[in-house]
Amino acid sequence: NAGVTQTPKFQVLKTGQSMTLQCAQDMNHNSMYWYRQDPGMGLRLIYYSASEGTTDKGEVPNGYNVSRLNKREFSLRLESAAPSQTSVYFCASSVLGSGEKLFFGSGTQLSVL
Amino acid sequence: GENVEQHPSTLSVQEGDSAVIKCTYSDSASNYFPWYKQELGKRPQLIIDIRSNVGEKKDQRIAVTLNKTAKHFSLHITETQPEDSAVYFCAASMGSGGYQKVTFGIGTKLQVIP
Repeated sequence: NAGVTQTPKFQVLKTGQSMTLQCAQDMNHNSMYWYRQDPGMGLRLIYYSASEGTTDKGEVPNGYNVSRLNKREFSLRLESAAPSQTSVYFCASSVLGSGEKLFFGSGTQLSVL
Repeated sequence: GENVEQHPSTLSVQEGDSAVIKCTYSDSASNYFPWYKQELGKRPQLIIDIRSNVGEKKDQRIAVTLNKTAKHFSLHITETQPEDSAVYFCAASMGSGGYQKVTFGIGTKLQVIP
């Protein structure tokens, strides 16, 4: 039981490049999320998927797209990376209706030059 | 939308002393209040949570209190130890059994000095 697994752990991009962050959970959770963490700003929700087949914008969705590939997997795509997207990205999952106890992945440190 | 304010942003205590972190929220519809601990370079992990129908909850050296009228909740750590050093996030969550939106505070960096 690995919990929430996200890849890669580190990535450096040039402005304008694209990339996809991968996330998978093996806890049979319904809901999945992508957060970004920046110093002094806490954790901000980018996109979420309340259940398989649905996705919705969070607090800071601009510049990102997501795909809920199946119940296990939820990916985050940066189509044209910008320096403002330099951040630490966390994927998380939760059981629908659990009160949203979030289980986080280990994070991706992304630098956009 | 919900707004969660957290303070202090940094806190230093001597080992063995108590630490208190306070949060306020804006939306009275919030009904679930978790606290997450994030050690340096690690993922956030849930350490304790409280629901709106409860005023206080304790788990060993950690306790959380909730004042719904004032819309504030606090984390109390007693007999602090060096391994308590971390960033702590409060959060407020609202919903009605289905999907619940979680809003985080900005975090408190706690340093326990041996």
